[in-house]
Amino acid sequence: DQQVKQNSPSLSVQEGRISILNCDYTNSMFDYFLWYKKYPAEGPTFLISISSIKDKNEDGRFTVFLNKSAKHLSLHIVPSQPGDSAVYFCAASVRGSEKLVFGKGTKLTVNP
Amino acid sequence: DAGVIQSPRHEVTEMGQEVTLRCKPISGHNSLFWYRQTMMRGLELLIYFNNNVPIDDSGMPEDRFSAKMPNASFSTLKIQPSEPRDSAVYFCASSREVGLYGYTFGSGTRLTVV
Repeated sequence: DQQVKQNSPSLSVQEGRISILNCDYTNSMFDYFLWYKKYPAEGPTFLISISSIKDKNEDGRFTVFLNKSAKHLSLHIVPSQPGDSAVYFCAASVRGSEKLVFGKGTKLTVNP
Repeated sequence: DAGVIQSPRHEVTEMGQEVTLRCKPISGHNSLFWYRQTMMRGLELLIYFNNNVPIDDSGMPEDRFSAKMPNASFSTLKIQPSEPRDSAVYFCASSREVGLYGYTFGSGTRLTVV
């Protein structure tokens, strides 16, 4: 049973345009949602997060939106840059738990 | 801060051999996690430790897998005997407080069992 789902295995975007990566979850107990970025031959690195009490968090070019009623979150990257090309993982956890549940990832390619 | 250090980076071994993966977490982090990444299953949590004590090993696939954390600065994941289906990238991660800050991952060990 996959609690965190990223239904798009890949996404291709032109440089300068917006990238939107989506994530759905099934466990309504999740309190924290995180996005990780992963380059080839490296480990995932933390990008941005949001608490379930908020619906938006912004950090520079990256914004995460949370829609609790739809159990959906998205990561917006504006403007997209070729260096953003990577695999993006959505993850979630319950308050007080050490466990992060990851989606399978979306490979983003930003074309120059 | 050198980050989470994993060794080796690459391991190629023959089926039936014992494989040991190593991890040094970030100093001061009290939780350590072992994940496996495959194309089919994505990132799977195998086991995690808190203050050197195994808390949840429900993700360990079989008895062939074992993990130890003898002290706060070292952990091992052992596969004995190894099988071709164990081929994957194994990540170690550590954290002080998961919440909104998540984990810090190592660079991973790519294991190939032939």
